[in-house]
Amino acid sequence: DAGVTQSPTHLIKTRGQQVTLRCSPISGHKSVSWYQQVLGQGPQFIFQYYEKEERGRGNFPDRFSARQFPNYSSELNVNALLLGDSALYLCASSYSGTAFGETQYFGPGTRLLVL
Amino acid sequence: GNSVTQMEGPVTLSEEAFLTINCTYTATGYPSLFWYVQYPGEGLQLLLKATKADDKGSNKGFEATYRKETTSFHLEKGSVQVSDSAVYFCALRSYGGSQGNLIFGKGTKLSVKP
Repeated sequence: DAGVTQSPTHLIKTRGQQVTLRCSPISGHKSVSWYQQVLGQGPQFIFQYYEKEERGRGNFPDRFSARQFPNYSSELNVNALLLGDSALYLCASSYSGTAFGETQYFGPGTRLLVL
Repeated sequence: GNSVTQMEGPVTLSEEAFLTINCTYTATGYPSLFWYVQYPGEGLQLLLKATKADDKGSNKGFEATYRKETTSFHLEKGSVQVSDSAVYFCALRSYGGSQGNLIFGKGTKLSVKP
């Protein structure tokens, strides 16, 4: 079975631009979460979606938004890019998103560089 | 709030050495605990997990025991290999309300020399 897929793998943008990152969860998984991993740090939670509804939001500015589609794939949008948005953006999928002990499976990430 | 603290790296070991990476946590209630591994240029892979006190997670020779009394989940391996070189992340997942997100430590980079 295919794992979590993300596109694009790499992206270079300039300050002030907007970016859209895409994620396809494992087949059968209904929840998608997004994380930001700055170089040398652990991933930080951005959003969680389940059945197209936002279930959780981390401490990120309103420039960050996301949505989930009927096929459970998801997009993360970041507006007005700042240099500090340069990071690896990870998508994780799970069946329900909140079941006790449930594992989140991560994709390979999209590496965003803002110049 | 909930948080994870893990030992600072980098850690450099010779092949077949014993590995311990310390991880402690702060959480309300009874979180689930995880170790993820990140190989160079890749995303995170689940290494092992434990969901209640005294549970031992194990995989590929790695082990970690959920210690509620010391709020710890230390990662151990008896004999490391060069292929174990990676960054290891301890994480917790607390429950309540609608949140089910993971909270990660900063990661510990392990380098194993032949």
